[in-house]
Amino acid sequence: GENVEQHPSTLSVQEGDSAVIKCTYSDSASNYFPWYKQELGKRPQLIIDIRSNVGEKKDQRIAVTLNKTAKHFSLHITETQPEDSAVYFCAASLAGGGADGLTFGKGTHLIIQP
Amino acid sequence: DAGVTQSPTHLIKTRGQQVTLRCSPKSGHDTVSWYQQALGQGPQFIFQYYEEEERQRGNFPDRFSGHQFPNYSSELNVNALLLGDSALYLCASSLITGTGQFFGPGTRLTVL
Repeated sequence: GENVEQHPSTLSVQEGDSAVIKCTYSDSASNYFPWYKQELGKRPQLIIDIRSNVGEKKDQRIAVTLNKTAKHFSLHITETQPEDSAVYFCAASLAGGGADGLTFGKGTHLIIQP
Repeated sequence: DAGVTQSPTHLIKTRGQQVTLRCSPKSGHDTVSWYQQALGQGPQFIFQYYEEEERQRGNFPDRFSGHQFPNYSSELNVNALLLGDSALYLCASSLITGTGQFFGPGTRLTVL
C-alpha cells in the first residue's frame, strides 16, 4: 500500500519568514495530495490540495508543488504569522478529492517565533 | 449550513466492551470516511462508506465495522475493545466525485 514520509517533524521559523514542509510518497499511481492544518485539540482542516495533472497551486500565502517523477510534494508558507503555528499533515490517495481513503504523513509541528 | 458533526465528544470504556460512534456528514455530501488518530500521529484510514456500503477498507481488523444510513450519516462500531484502541476517531465527509475530505471534530475514546 501507499506510504507517505514527511519532514521535518518540527520546524521553527521567525515570524515573517517562509516555511517549507516536504513529503514523499511510494505509490506512483497516487493522484491526489491534500494538506491539512490541525491546531491543538481541533479537527484537521483542509488548507490546500493538488492533483497530479498540476505542478503547482497557490492560495494567498500558501502554495503546494508536486514532482511526480520524484514522487514528492511540498507545502510553502510565506510571510508566516503566529496563527500559522499548528501541526501540518500531508496525505496522498489514488483518486481525487473524496473518492478514496487518504494515507497521511506523521505531521510537522510548525512553530512561529515572534 | 452545518459542517461535519460527531457524537459523542468523549467516551470512556473498559477492555472487552463495545462502542458505537456517530457521524453526520456536511450537507450535500454522500461519502463518509473514518480515521483513527493516535496521540502525536497522523490519521489512519479505517474504511469508507458510499451508497450504504463499505467501499474501501484500510488495515484494520474486523472488530471495526460500520454502517451508512439512507440520510448519509454513518456509525463506527468497535467490538472487544483493547487498550490500544484508545485514540481520537475522526470522520470525514466528501462527495464521491471528489471535492476534498472535510473532518468532524472527532470522538476521543479512552479504553481502561
